[in-house]
Amino acid sequence: EAQVTQNPRYLITVTGKKLTVTCSQNMNHEYMSWYRQDPGLGLRQIYYSMNVEVTDKGDVPEGYKVSRKEKRNFPLILESPSPNQTSLYFCASSGIYEQYFGPGTRLTVT
Amino acid sequence: KQEVTQIPAALSVPEGENLVLNCSFTDSAIYNLQWFRQDPGKGLTSLLLIQSSQREQTSGRLNASLDKSSGRSTLYIAASQPGDSATYLCAGYSGYALNFGKGTSLLVTP
Repeated sequence: EAQVTQNPRYLITVTGKKLTVTCSQNMNHEYMSWYRQDPGLGLRQIYYSMNVEVTDKGDVPEGYKVSRKEKRNFPLILESPSPNQTSLYFCASSGIYEQYFGPGTRLTVT
Repeated sequence: KQEVTQIPAALSVPEGENLVLNCSFTDSAIYNLQWFRQDPGKGLTSLLLIQSSQREQTSGRLNASLDKSSGRSTLYIAASQPGDSATYLCAGYSGYALNFGKGTSLLVTP
């Protein structure tokens, strides 16, 4: 079954404690991206990757890092999380015509 | 940057009504357009994808149209049911990048 998986699904952490949200796809897609969703602001792109070792900033990259060492994986790294990064995060991978989204990770930073 | 606007922001209808959700975008060079459904706190469910060369797509009680010249898309829901209550998101592709509207929150009352 074609899918995008994210882990963890829920995470509560404290300010400054580094964390990684993993994302994996099994569709051999080259393009992957991360979004965050906040009330009143909608979904905004954080980072994207056109292929292995090729990443670029989206609309709201501050405070985030990504890496793309393998085609199937695209982890999102928060090296020093802050409360304003409390949000619902989605990973997506894109085929020729459409993007496929993971189930989301709800992150709370206290 | 592609701007996507959805009107209305919220809508309440009695069960059985036919309804139309509107989406407008600023860049007529939009590639594809996709409609999603999102239940509260949940992930994104893809409803319909309209490719650039198409004008509409249908799935069951849903019909989505795309008019690139006017910068508009509509999602038509026939014979609405309480189970249709959710937020509906419209997103336009610029290349691989997806630009989302802020959604229409739909409530269908029994």
